[in-house]
Amino acid sequence: DADVTQTPRNRITKTGKRIMLECSQTKGHDRMYWYRQDPGLGLRLIYYSFDVKDINKGEISDGYSVSRQAQAKFSLSLESAIPNQTALYFCATSGPGTMNTEAFFGQGTRLTVV
Amino acid sequence: GNSVTQMEGPVTLSEEAFLTINCTYTATGYPSLFWYVQYPGEGLQLLLKATKADDKGSNKGFEATYRKETTSFHLEKGSVQVSDSAVYFCALYPSGGYQKVTFGIGTKLQVIP
Repeated sequence: DADVTQTPRNRITKTGKRIMLECSQTKGHDRMYWYRQDPGLGLRLIYYSFDVKDINKGEISDGYSVSRQAQAKFSLSLESAIPNQTALYFCATSGPGTMNTEAFFGQGTRLTVV
Repeated sequence: GNSVTQMEGPVTLSEEAFLTINCTYTATGYPSLFWYVQYPGEGLQLLLKATKADDKGSNKGFEATYRKETTSFHLEKGSVQVSDSAVYFCALYPSGGYQKVTFGIGTKLQVIP
């Protein structure tokens, strides 16, 4: 089984709908992250969490919210989806430390908002 | 602020050709530099890293040297294979913690038989 699992892998939703993307990890890490990937823009950080009670906005948090249900689970919600939120979304985890901390990524969720 | 510059590609090479993917950066202080690789349909995974100037990271035949004087961390491989086809991301880790990592836009590599 993958260390970081995202569900669903693909989703098509309509504008205005609420949608939740889920992430679970078996690495035992406290730190979890949500990114979106867009062509020509690379990966951009949406939210990050250092433990269950510590949630922080990243560089592009508008239009998104998150919930850290447990150490192993971190979900991303789009309260009212819009077409420019069409992207590939990745969840990641990392261990403690700063300069040399490898990140472990899920396989991604491809979201299309129509 | 910090930034990472790399070409988007695609870079198309024949099997056994020499690969260079350029990465240059702008940063204050003394960051660490990483290369991640994303194979089709998968998430990113660490390829190699270097934590200080003149360090060389290597893995799976890939190498990159942290050059502070040219602010570069170019990825090289002497002989690419079809299985190396992927998107390669250069990433800058500042001293402030992982949440401040800056990723490049990713360079797509296509290797043809």
